[in-house]
Amino acid sequence: DAGITQSPRHKVTETGTPVTLRCHQTENHRYMYWYRQDPGHGLRLIHYSYGVKDTDKGEVSDGYSVSRSKTEDFLLTLESATSSQTSVYFCAISESMRGATYEQYFGPGTRLTVT
Amino acid sequence: QKEVEQNSGPLSVPEGAIASLNCTYSDRGSQSFFWYRQYSGKSPELIMFIYSNGDKEDGRFTAQLNKASQYVSLLIRDSQPSDSATYLCAVRVQGAQKLVFGQGTRLTINP
Repeated sequence: DAGITQSPRHKVTETGTPVTLRCHQTENHRYMYWYRQDPGHGLRLIHYSYGVKDTDKGEVSDGYSVSRSKTEDFLLTLESATSSQTSVYFCAISESMRGATYEQYFGPGTRLTVT
Repeated sequence: QKEVEQNSGPLSVPEGAIASLNCTYSDRGSQSFFWYRQYSGKSPELIMFIYSNGDKEDGRFTAQLNKASQYVSLLIRDSQPSDSATYLCAVRVQGAQKLVFGQGTRLTINP
């Protein structure tokens, strides 16, 4: 299994509070991704990183920010949590190899509930 | 039109039969195609990837790619109850370092 951990694994927070989720990898992969998964919507990309301090937006980036100060860590911050951000959040990593396959490997997920 | 489309199911298949999962995509420049399996409450797990037209086999799994028709499929032979899961199709579009996922097909294998 790819060495990916996410913390916390579960969190309940109140509307309006800031929340930071952490993704940590031991694979030294260049690319890291944050997704959210909701019933009826599948996996949707929030932000991704293609190197230290290099990030870009995904399809559902509003209300989220990210930071990557080290290769191994990718942080997702909800500046002011809303109930619509209640979801399961997955981190994924990938590396370019075997041509341009870019297969991604996923962490265990964080279940976030905003009350 | 969604970029990657899958029938959400549920798809019910008897044990021992062949399960066939389909996925269509809209971007003709798509280059790499992936199948993930996700058990309830767990994270997606990569099963196979394919990037050339034709078939690719790995054990009981076969991925099929037809770029002209813009579809990719996954066949599971000798289906087992442990194959019951949601299967996600993902596509890497040309020039991008990210994947676009379909909504997934829920597969149930009946003993």
